[in-house]
Amino acid sequence: DIQMTQSPSTLSASVGDRVTITCRASQSISNWLAWYQQKPGKPPKLLIYKASTLESGVPSRFSGSGSGTEFTLTIGSLQPDDFATYYCQQYSRFLTFGGGTKVEIK
Amino acid sequence: QVQLQESGPGLVKPSQTLSLTCTVSGDSISSGANYWTWIRQHPGKGLEWIGYIYYSGSTYYNPSLKSRVSISADMSKNQFFLELNSVTAADTAVYYCATGKTSSDHWGQGTLVTVSS
Repeated sequence: DIQMTQSPSTLSASVGDRVTITCRASQSISNWLAWYQQKPGKPPKLLIYKASTLESGVPSRFSGSGSGTEFTLTIGSLQPDDFATYYCQQYSRFLTFGGGTKVEIK
Repeated sequence: QVQLQESGPGLVKPSQTLSLTCTVSGDSISSGANYWTWIRQHPGKGLEWIGYIYYSGSTYYNPSLKSRVSISADMSKNQFFLELNSVTAADTAVYYCATGKTSSDHWGQGTLVTVSS
């Protein structure tokens, strides 16, 4: 099984901050990596797929990078609507999610 | 735009079988483009892939649940189904159906299933 390790688990930040979340795969997944945003009581929303491709309608302040086993999600300038929990997901072999990163208001 | 809607009992007794239906609109399960996925989220916790089905009928399951889970589909009704047997309180979760290029681009709203006597 492919394990996904996400860090940090919690992140405190202010509006306007640049935020980076890291995801590591237990084996190479090429670029088969997606990032999701989830707010309480709602299903996750796809932000990025193939490690760096922005889903249609997602603001350009979100970006993704990486390949192989190391990946990052960056929010260029944190907005009030961005306080949420973020998950990485590999879809190279079946599906596995990271443990999540909760972005809180500092 | 594809839409998915989960339905089924919100309360299941321990040792019984959890059965859910996902009704799909805006796309055809038989199109062959995507996998049709079940994912769950325990209260306050992360996301767990349960399994998925392809239009051919091929199914793939999370090894941790494989002995208890079955996913099937009715192409004529554009629905797919989840059955999880021998449930315990540990199976209490929000259950989502999903699909897409990542196998989970598009999600239903989710349905809370509580296992309790």
